[in-house]
Amino acid sequence: GAVVSQHPSWVICKSGTSVKIECRSLDFQATTMFWYRQFPKQSLMLMATSNEGSKATYEQGVEKDKFLINHASLTLSTLTVTSAHPEDSSFYICSARVRSGTGDTEAFFGQGTRLTVV
Amino acid sequence: AQSVTQLGSHVSVSEGALVLLRCNYSSSVPPYLFWYVQYPNQGLQLLLKYTSAATLVKGINGFEAEFKKSETSFHLTKPSAHMSDAAEYFCAVSHTGTASKLTFGTGTRLQVTL
Repeated sequence: GAVVSQHPSWVICKSGTSVKIECRSLDFQATTMFWYRQFPKQSLMLMATSNEGSKATYEQGVEKDKFLINHASLTLSTLTVTSAHPEDSSFYICSARVRSGTGDTEAFFGQGTRLTVV
Repeated sequence: AQSVTQLGSHVSVSEGALVLLRCNYSSSVPPYLFWYVQYPNQGLQLLLKYTSAATLVKGINGFEAEFKKSETSFHLTKPSAHMSDAAEYFCAVSHTGTASKLTFGTGTRLQVTL
């Protein structure tokens, strides 16, 4: 299957600083990527849909000025958590949508990033 | 609106025993349903998906799931558990296509004991 690489796999930052998380499709081009967040013992919640070359679409309740998403190329989407606070500590995971030869689509996930804000 | 409920955050089975992970969904339109597996420090991997074709779906690693509309369920089963099946399993639903926005359940951690 297609490979999605997410970096870093974990990060600890001080409150008030910004953190950038990268999501790369290694062997395919992804016009659409999705960013999810998972709090302990909770579901993965979709934060935003990232489309190459256009603005991301944020889900209700997600602050677009706090969670900056950039999808500047067909293989890279980034999520920047700005002015991070302890309540932003969570597991962030991206996925990339791939269209197969049959016209079907499938989502491939990165390994996730554990963010801890201290 | 759509949602999935996974009953049991933690399931433990003996090696060789039947695996049953429960998932119930709620959707106002015909759903697309998925099961994903996540091994430690790895991304989610698709096990199988239901897209309105056959109600019994076979996936990778010997897993299968049956879509039961009357019960709004999509339980995941495997006849004989293997130690390598120990992982976190997520049920997910989508209503706009096979890989559009996914709504996930809270996950079930499967433990396999000797």
